[in-house]
Parts: sequence; structure tokens; C-alpha cells
Amino acid sequence: DAGVTQSPTHLIKTRGQHVTLRCSPISGHKSVSWYQQVLGQGPQFIFQYYEKEERGRGNFPDRFSARQFPNYSSELNVNALLLGDSALYLCASSLGEFSSPLHFGNGTRLTVT
Amino acid sequence: DQQVKQNSPSLSVQEGRISILNCDYTNSMFDYFLWYKKYPAEGPTFLISISSIKDKNEDGRFTVFLNKSAKHLSLHIVPSQPGDSAVYFCAASAGYGNKLVFGAGTILRVKS
Repeated sequence: DAGVTQSPTHLIKTRGQHVTLRCSPISGHKSVSWYQQVLGQGPQFIFQYYEKEERGRGNFPDRFSARQFPNYSSELNVNALLLGDSALYLCASSLGEFSSPLHFGNGTRLTVT
Repeated sequence: DQQVKQNSPSLSVQEGRISILNCDYTNSMFDYFLWYKKYPAEGPTFLISISSIKDKNEDGRFTVFLNKSAKHLSLHIVPSQPGDSAVYFCAASAGYGNKLVFGAGTILRVKS
């Protein structure tokens, strides 16, 4: 079975631009979460979506938004990119809203110049 | 405000010996703890977890110990193998759920 897939794997953007990152969860998983991992730190929670509804939001500005589609895939959008948004963005899926553990994809490496 | 701390950035161990990775937390609401392993260019992979109602959980070569009074947990790997070389993240949550709080990670190098 395929694991969590994320696209693209790498991305280079300029300050002020916007970006859309995509995630497909493991088949049968209904919950998708997004994490940001800055170099030298652990992943930091951004969003959780379950059954297309936002179930949790981390301490990130409104420039960050996400959504989940009927097929449970998800998009993370970041507007007005800043240099500090350069990071590895990880998507994770789980069976249900409170299921554990999370299964992570390999991430999207975003570089903002 | 680091609620989960891994104070050792790196650890080097000889193959066959025990690896002990440590993690401290400050939030008393945390009651579920996990360890993830991460290889370069891959996402974190779940290793082992423990609920606060237990003080020990084993899975093969991996054992996690939880000391609630000290707000401390540790991961023991016995025996260590070169393939265990990776970054290990400690994570915690308040209840089962998707909002995990991660430590900064410990780089484990197992020398053959």
C-alpha cells in the first residue's frame, strides 16, 4: 500500500509569492495534519483536518491556510511568503481524528529567496 | 517555550551496545508520548509509544521508560545496530490526537 505522498518534493519561491503544497493520505485514513520543520528543530504543528473540517490549528499566522477534499487529500497554502517560511513541510495522516500514531510523508522542502 | 526538550543534540554508540536517548517535558497535560525516527530525505517514522498509565513499553530492541514525577522519558535501544543511525524525535500530546509537540531531536550514530 502507498504511504503518505506529498508533492512537490522541492520548491523554490520568492518572497511575497504564494505556494500550494499537496498531500495524499494513506488509503482509508480520514485525518490529515500538517507540520513545519525548520532546520535544527523538531516538526511544529500547523493544522489538522478531519472529514474536511479544521480540527486544530497551531500558532501560525493567517497567511497559512489549508483544506481537505472529499477524497481526504489536502492542500496547504501559504501567502505572502517570508524568508522564515523556508522549511520542510510534512504531511501526516491517521485513521481517525484521535487516532495514533501519525504516518508522515517525506515532506516538501520549501526554499524562499 | 519548549514544552518537549531533548537536551543531547547527538549521541555516538558502538554497535552492539545500548543507546539511551532522553527527553524531558514541562506540560503536565501531556499523557501520551511517542518516539519517531527520521532518516535524511525521509519523513519521520513511528517507533514506539507509551501512555501515561504505564511506565514501560517494549517492542523488540526498543524500550521506552516514562517517569511521570520527573516528567522524563527515555528510549533504550539494545543492541544498537548501524542501521539505527538516524535522528530520533520525542513527541508528546495531551490525549490521543494529532497535535503532537516535538523535541528538537537527537542524532544517533552507531559505529560498527
